[in-house]
Amino acid sequence: SQTIHQWPATLVQPVGSPLSLECTVEGTSNPNLYWYRQAAGRGLQLLFYSVGIGQISSEVPQNLSASRPQDRQFILSSKKLLLSDSGFYLCAWRGDRSTGELFFGEGSRLTVL
Amino acid sequence: TQLLEQSPQFLSIQEGENLTVYCNSSSVFSSLQWYRQEPGEGPVLLVTVVTGGEVKKLKRLTFQFGDARKDSSLHITAAQPGDTGLYLCAGERAGGFKTIFGAGTRLFVKA
Repeated sequence: SQTIHQWPATLVQPVGSPLSLECTVEGTSNPNLYWYRQAAGRGLQLLFYSVGIGQISSEVPQNLSASRPQDRQFILSSKKLLLSDSGFYLCAWRGDRSTGELFFGEGSRLTVL
Repeated sequence: TQLLEQSPQFLSIQEGENLTVYCNSSSVFSSLQWYRQEPGEGPVLLVTVVTGGEVKKLKRLTFQFGDARKDSSLHITAAQPGDTGLYLCAGERAGGFKTIFGAGTRLFVKA
């Protein structure tokens, strides 16, 4: 069966510091991968998605970047964090390409101080 | 601009009551999903609807996709405290890889 994991689960970082969140998927090949950010108790904002190695589509101009160095690895990064980068970050992979169903990781809570 | 509008944003009801949550858009979607999310966890898929007018039932939950595939509803019969959570609708437009989400409906069921 397929599994998805992301880490770290919780992160507290000072303004201006770098960021790296990692996500890996097991049990499937060439998945579509996604990074979302969620404000407290609200909906999910699509940040990046990738349909293959090295292919990244950015949805929102921001202080973040994404990379896909391997088929089942998706990384969210920042060189210098801003206060507004705080939030709950979710990685997801797409199960059924025809219907868009997503399966999410456990989430990473980022607090920028 | 929110492409998927959910209403209500917040709902607090007594155990045993019925409720309906709505997800509306001016755009056509090839499919819509409903997810439920607990605090501190990722959303979990409840159902996918793909055909206009489709109705799906999952125990006490009934999901409907509008005939024009622009809207959907989630009806819960005899709500229980275990139904408490954030309900999110999400959709994908035809030919795309992007799944967008509504802002969510936070449901609280009191015992």
